[in-house]
Amino acid sequence: DQQVKQNSPSLSVQEGRISILNCDYTNSMFDYFLWYKKYPAEGPTFLISISSIKDKNEDGRFTVFLNKSAKHLSLHIVPSQPGDSAVYFCAASATGTASKLTFGTGTRLQVTL
Amino acid sequence: EAGVVQSPRYKIIEKKQPVAFWCNPISGHNTLYWYLQNLGQGPELLIRYENEEAVDDSQLPKDRFSAERLKGVDSTLKIQPAELGDSAVYLCASSPGAMNTEAFFGQGTRLTVV
Repeated sequence: DQQVKQNSPSLSVQEGRISILNCDYTNSMFDYFLWYKKYPAEGPTFLISISSIKDKNEDGRFTVFLNKSAKHLSLHIVPSQPGDSAVYFCAASATGTASKLTFGTGTRLQVTL
Repeated sequence: EAGVVQSPRYKIIEKKQPVAFWCNPISGHNTLYWYLQNLGQGPELLIRYENEEAVDDSQLPKDRFSAERLKGVDSTLKIQPAELGDSAVYLCASSPGAMNTEAFFGQGTRLTVV
């Protein structure tokens, strides 16, 4: 039972264009959502988060959008840079904290020149 | 500020042997987690500590896995005996535990059981 789903295993985007990574969830109790970025042989690195009381959170080139009615969130990266090439994980929590994160399976983003 | 430190980075053992992983969380973080990440999957929670107390170990296979967090700081995760299917990356993370804060991950220990 995959409660957090990232249906696109990979995504290729040209440098300078927008990258949109999607995530769907099934548990209506989830109230806190996070995106992590992972490079090979490293642990996941926190990127951006959003509480369920918001529908958008922005940090520099990264924006996360939350659509609670659709149980869907997305991460927008604008403009995409080659250094953004990594695996991106969506994670969700039902406690408002990072105390019990349920992760998706990840989307591998490749930003090409 | 130092991040979450894990050791060893890599470990290769024969099946049926014991293995232990060590984690030093970020200073001041009361909450410590051990996650398991299989190839092509997202991390899955094994156990969560609040200080020295294991408050969620429902996903820990207790027949062969054990963990401890003495004095509420460093933690060790042990597997005895290891099986081929235990080959994975074991991630330690810590968080301050407050609302709307994130978990910080270490680099992980890649275990290969042969």
